Amino acid sequence: QSVLTQPPSASGTPGQRVTISCSGSSSFFGSNYIYWYKEIPGTAPKLLIYRNDQRPSGVPDRFSGSKSGTSASLAISGLRSEDEADYYCAAWDDSLSGRYVFGTGTKVTVL
Amino acid sequence: QVQLVESGGGVVQPGRSLRLSCAASGFTFSTYGMHWVRQAPGKGLAWVAVISYDGTHKHYADSVKGRFTISRDNSKNTLYLQMNSLRAEDTAVYYCAKDHYYESSGYYAIDYWGQGTLVTVPS
Repeated sequence: QSVLTQPPSASGTPGQRVTISCSGSSSFFGSNYIYWYKEIPGTAPKLLIYRNDQRPSGVPDRFSGSKSGTSASLAISGLRSEDEADYYCAAWDDSLSGRYVFGTGTKVTVL
Repeated sequence: QVQLVESGGGVVQPGRSLRLSCAASGFTFSTYGMHWVRQAPGKGLAWVAVISYDGTHKHYADSVKGRFTISRDNSKNTLYLQMNSLRAEDTAVYYCAKDHYYESSGYYAIDYWGQGTLVTVPS
């Protein structure tokens, strides 16, 4: 059971803005950085956002991340057909014995 | 560029063992922690284990604790996952992944992923 909850699906037409949420407990969110990954089925996942809102080189600025309180968000602006994929948030949970937790995943569909 | 190439997957009977390998290149392997992550058919990503850059710290998901062992050989730039007492629910694509933090032994995150290797345990 993941401690990070995402909506199962999101959609938009080309050019629109889509936002994906990632929510959890206040104890978890208070001290952990959120990472976001994009996965196209059959291919390796790719890092989109690190440390809540930082973009690796090569990731378009159409992708942005934020974190506030007990939730984080990934926004995709200027939606394109190649953005159709599964998106996961994740964070290190250093409580108990330590583990890396993935969100439940969101399927983005470009209509 | 970072390259991670997994091998060792296949079909294995319940209760048997399998060892996965991951050959790393394009970065200084001995200075980064490494992870294994799996994805069962039609399911989401599930973290399996992490090992610190020097092999002294290891963490496991509850679902594999006591059955799987993560290890590394820094002289060979290779990560391993020894999987014992395999179950049908271990069927998944297994990804090797590089940690984001330099020489960390207490805080981890993933930045690069391999292409994965499929492990099938028939029920």
